[in-house]
Amino acid sequence: GQQLNQSPQSMFIQEGEDVSMNCTSSSIFNTWLWYKQDPGEGPVLLIALYKAGELTSNGRLTAQFGITRKDSFLNISASIPSDVGIYFCAGPNFGNEKLTFGTGTRLTIIP
Amino acid sequence: DAGVIQSPRHEVTEMGQEVTLRCKPISGHNSLFWYRQTMMRGLELLIYFNNNVPIDDSGMPEDRFSAKMPNASFSTLKIQPSEPRDSAVYFCASSQRSKNTIYFGEGSWLTVV
Repeated sequence: GQQLNQSPQSMFIQEGEDVSMNCTSSSIFNTWLWYKQDPGEGPVLLIALYKAGELTSNGRLTAQFGITRKDSFLNISASIPSDVGIYFCAGPNFGNEKLTFGTGTRLTIIP
Repeated sequence: DAGVIQSPRHEVTEMGQEVTLRCKPISGHNSLFWYRQTMMRGLELLIYFNNNVPIDDSGMPEDRFSAKMPNASFSTLKIQPSEPRDSAVYFCASSQRSKNTIYFGEGSWLTVV
């Protein structure tokens, strides 16, 4: 089946730093989604990307749909304590509603 | 607007007992998904429904697991009999079929002892 690999697996950063993470796929996606999961909660949709090359922002978050359709990137600028959590990429197959989720990137902010 | 509503939020049960998890999708959404999350395996899709009809249950681990969606506003995931390895967080999610974005509930945290 499809696999989505996220990198890095975990990040330890200081408040105020910028964050970059990526997601790569073994196959092409026509949609890329980025979710964040806070401790004890369900994943919450952050950004949805629908077109190769698309760059979309949501506040301090910016995500890009890779040109090859096999990767996506998420950047967080000027991190704050509430950015702590696990970030998942996800994508459906063509013509398929099933979402495959990445392995997650766990973000920790060091005081 | 109300999001996806799941119950119970937490359940601790003894091995061998039946467990029923419940979900109310977002009104107007016609696709419903059940996911399981564990440290080892991450988020796994168990089953999903379109317009109350099960479309793909290939992720259901074994016959002890069953899911139903009797109407557009309610679904259940049942485990009978439960085993300790079923301990996980079970998420229900819903979407409009025309869109690929799904919205998750807060999860049901199951512990089987």
